[in-house]
Amino acid sequence: DQQVKQNSPSLSVQEGRISILNCDYTNSMFDYFLWYKKYPAEGPTFLISISSIKDKNEDGRFTVFLNKSAKHLSLHIVPSQPGDSAVYFCAASGVRGAQKLVFGQGTRLTINP
Amino acid sequence: DADVTQTPRNRITKTGKRIMLECSQTKGHDRMYWYRQDPGLGLQLIYYSFDVKDINKGEISDGYSVSRQAQAKFSLSLESAIPNQTALYFCATSDAGGDNEQFFGPGTRLTVL
Repeated sequence: DQQVKQNSPSLSVQEGRISILNCDYTNSMFDYFLWYKKYPAEGPTFLISISSIKDKNEDGRFTVFLNKSAKHLSLHIVPSQPGDSAVYFCAASGVRGAQKLVFGQGTRLTINP
Repeated sequence: DADVTQTPRNRITKTGKRIMLECSQTKGHDRMYWYRQDPGLGLQLIYYSFDVKDINKGEISDGYSVSRQAQAKFSLSLESAIPNQTALYFCATSDAGGDNEQFFGPGTRLTVL
């Protein structure tokens, strides 16, 4: 079973607008969530994270929202820039520091000029 | 210089051949991981090691083995490669004392004919 799901394989957004990437999880033991960004021919790089004790974490243009009751998290990018075009993976961990991550399938974001 | 390096970057081999993928890191992290990425499936954990004497199976360890030669080196072997092991393979590291952030290498694209 896919414990972490990103149901949108791709998303296209106009430059300057908001990009919203979604992620759902099924395991209620997940306690810490991360977003990674991946460019072609490179490994994933860490973007932003959130602990289950929070419902929002912000870092510059990137904000992650967590809705524990719905087992749903989202990544907002505003304003979107061409360099944001990449594949985005959400990941979940049982306990902060446990460090075994379960990844979603990824969403390919394309920012159009 | 890259903190996490993988060799080779690309490899084409034939069914039944033994293949070794190597990973080295200069980050000084204790924890190392091997993942594979298939289209539409995200990253799946093959093996992980929390220190030199600790090796653990991940979600999809069948057909693979690993060796942790030193703190900085973690290699993945396919004893007898088969076509459905064609995938993108990533090595990652993390700090035992830190958050769940993992640092990824650039990946190895493996094709088994």
